[in-house]
Amino acid sequence: KNQVEQSPQSLIILEGKNCTLQCNYTVSPFSNLRWYKQDTGRGPVSLTIMTFSENTKSNGRYTATLDADTKQSSLHITASQLSDSASYICVVKRGKLIFGQGTELSVKP
Amino acid sequence: EAQVTQNPRYLITVTGKKLTVTCSQNMNHEYMSWYRQDPGLGLRQIYYSMNVEVTDKGDVPEGYKVSRKEKRNFPLILESPSPNQTSLYFCASSLGRDHYEQYFGPGTRLTVT
Repeated sequence: KNQVEQSPQSLIILEGKNCTLQCNYTVSPFSNLRWYKQDTGRGPVSLTIMTFSENTKSNGRYTATLDADTKQSSLHITASQLSDSASYICVVKRGKLIFGQGTELSVKP
Repeated sequence: EAQVTQNPRYLITVTGKKLTVTCSQNMNHEYMSWYRQDPGLGLRQIYYSMNVEVTDKGDVPEGYKVSRKEKRNFPLILESPSPNQTSLYFCASSLGRDHYEQYFGPGTRLTVT
């Protein structure tokens, strides 16, 4: 079983709508949890980084939350844009980085 | 511009023909690493380097070699590529292993026939 599980695997939404991506992890303890955005054919780019003691972090229209009790994190995207179409990867750092498999988001006009 | 560069971006080769993928960063980062990304498996670390002349195995090091003779460069070497090494490869760097921000290169898509 993967230590970092993301859901859904893929998601299609209409431009302007909000969406929430989920990340469940079993890694414990950990030093930080990150969300990356990866455009097709490009390298991942960091969106947010939260330590285990933080429970929310925003970056523009992206807001990440962390619940250390339930071992869950979510990434909420507000007022989606076509450029948000990408893979979103949840990563937990415990010594090394442990990557989730990603959620493929497609924003349609 | 601060960046991580990789070359080549695309490569098609045949089984057994040695190849090198170069990686260079201009941010004076100490920590560099190589990942491969395969559908359904996510990113997996191949090798990493904490500093010049210091390298160590990641999760999937078999069939790969690396070297770190200079701080800015971290080439990935496939001495005898096999089809199961067909993948998308990323180089990344950060100030230190425990530093938050890790910068990824643009990726190298390798096909071994």
